[in-house]
Order: sequence, then structure tokens, then C-alpha cells
Amino acid sequence: SQTIHQWPATLVQPVGSPLSLECTVEGTSNPNLYWYRQAAGRGLQLLFYSVGIGQISSEVPQNLSASRPQDRQFILSSKKLLLSDSGFYLCAWSVGGPQETQYFGPGTRLLVL
Amino acid sequence: AQSVTQPDIHITVSEGASLELRCNYSYGATPYLFWYVQSPGQGLQLLLKYFSGDTLVQGIKGFEAEFKRSQSSFNLRKPSVHWSDAAEYFCAVGARPNTDKLIFGTGTRLQVFP
Repeated sequence: SQTIHQWPATLVQPVGSPLSLECTVEGTSNPNLYWYRQAAGRGLQLLFYSVGIGQISSEVPQNLSASRPQDRQFILSSKKLLLSDSGFYLCAWSVGGPQETQYFGPGTRLLVL
Repeated sequence: AQSVTQPDIHITVSEGASLELRCNYSYGATPYLFWYVQSPGQGLQLLLKYFSGDTLVQGIKGFEAEFKRSQSSFNLRKPSVHWSDAAEYFCAVGARPNTDKLIFGTGTRLQVFP
């Protein structure tokens, strides 16, 4: 069966520090991968999605970036964190195609101080 | 562009009472529709989805939802709520035909009193 992992689970970082969040999927090949941010009371905002290695689409301009170095690995990064980057970051995967369900990881809670 | 509205930010019900969570979407054609549930500090779990066919969709945990094209709605229902149903519920729409993206509503937080 398929499993999606995210780490770390919780992260506290100072403003201006770098960020690297990792997401990996097991049990499937060539998944679509997604990064969402969830801010309090604002639902889920799609940040990036990827349909293959090295293929990244950015949905919202910001100081975050994403990379997909391997088929089942998706990384969210920042060179310098802002206070507004605080939130709950969720990774998701799907097998591809608009009908396909997205399955979510457990999330990473990021607090920027 | 498609959008999703969940008009109720917070709903409180008593255990055993019936539940209906509202979801309205905006899209020019028939969309793909989803309901997800999120327990505190957790990821999202799919409750049910609608793609085509029967407009009444059954999901996990005793939930169902009905797609009403005339009202652009996809409301989630449960006849008898359990305390463990307390969570945040998200409606989402996927645009057809060539996108893998979902648009989420802002969520409805459900509180259940014993």
C-alpha cells in the first residue's frame, strides 16, 4: 500500500533562516506531488505541484521554492524565512489525472519567530 | 476560475443529532467534488468524492453527500453524529478536463457536545 511521509513534524525557525521540508511517498511510481500551506482560518493554499522529476509548477509567487530530485521525493525550501511563512504545510500525492484522489501526509507545523 | 465556498466557519451539534455541512462551488461545467476531514494536527483524509453518475454519494464513517447541479452545491450529511466526528471538514473542487489541481474551501470546524 502507499504511504506518504513528511518531516519534520514540527519546526521552529528564526526569521531569515533557511528552510527545508521533505516529503516522500512509498508504494507508487511517478506520482503527482503537491505542497499546500494551511493558515488558520484560510483553508488550503496550493503552493507547488509536480508531475515528474524536475518538473515544478508554482501556484503562488513567494519566497518559497520546491524541488523534486527523485521520483518520490518532494522538497520545499526557502533561503530566508519570513514571519508570514508560519503555518501548517501539507504534502499530497495522486496517481495523476483530474479524477484522481489526492492523499495527504501528516503535515509539518512551522513557526517562524 | 473555479471556486469553493463553505459558508459555515463553525458548527456545533449534540451527539446523536443530524448534520449537514454546506458547500457551494463555482464552475462552468460539472466538476469533480471531494470532501476531506482533518483531525487536529493531522493531515487530510478523504471522506467521499463525486465524479459522475448517481448524485448521492456514500462515503466512509457514515457520511454522504449530494450533488445538486441546479444549486451548485455538494452538501455533506450524516444522520447521527458521534463525538469522534469533531474535526475540520473541507470541500474541494477539481476542474476538468486537464488539470490535476484541487481548489479547497476554507473549511468548517465541527464541534460535538455530549
